[in-house]
Amino acid sequence: EIVMTQSPATLSVSPGERATLSCRASQTVSSKLAWYQQKPGQAPRLLIYGASTRATGIPARFSGGGSGTEFTLTISSLQSEDFAVYYCQQYNSWPPVTFGGGTKVEI
Amino acid sequence: QVQLVQSGAEVKKPGASVKISCKASGYDFSGFYVHWVRQAPGQGLEWMGIIHPRGSVTTYAERFQGRFTVTSDTSTSTVNMELGSLRFDDTAVYYCARGGDIIILPEAFFDYWGQGTLITVSS
Repeated sequence: EIVMTQSPATLSVSPGERATLSCRASQTVSSKLAWYQQKPGQAPRLLIYGASTRATGIPARFSGGGSGTEFTLTISSLQSEDFAVYYCQQYNSWPPVTFGGGTKVEI
Repeated sequence: QVQLVQSGAEVKKPGASVKISCKASGYDFSGFYVHWVRQAPGQGLEWMGIIHPRGSVTTYAERFQGRFTVTSDTSTSTVNMELGSLRFDDTAVYYCARGGDIIILPEAFFDYWGQGTLITVSS
């Protein structure tokens, strides 16, 4: 099973600032990496798939990068609605699909 | 628009079983895989399994083997899951989620999610 590790666990950022979240895989997942945003009481929302492709309707301030075992999600200028928990997920080698533990982006 | 609507919250006793339904609309149900993912209170996401929309193929995470079953009904565009031998640590929100196109992009990332169903296991 591929273990996904996200860092930091919590990221404190001010509105308008840039946020960079990291995700590391225990073995290569090629570019088969997705990012999700989850707000309290809501289902996760797909942001990025294929490591860098934005999902439908996702603003351009969200960008994904990396391949192999190291990945990043960058939010270029944080808006109030971006404060949430973010999860990475690999789908290169499954079952099982595996998720990272999440990064909480807080004000 | 694509929607996945799940059945409502339930409270179950340890050892019991629970069934959750997930009704899809707004897309060709037969064209996409459906997955189940759960989230314990305050915890992260855990993948449980996948079903081909025609029900011809299912794959479950090893830790749920033997007590987790997923079925699909194309006539109602509904996927059902059943988790048996419930334990206290099965308390979680359970989500169905749409996976990849069965032909063009059969990838296991999830572009639409149900609203979630809270299952509480309590004596």
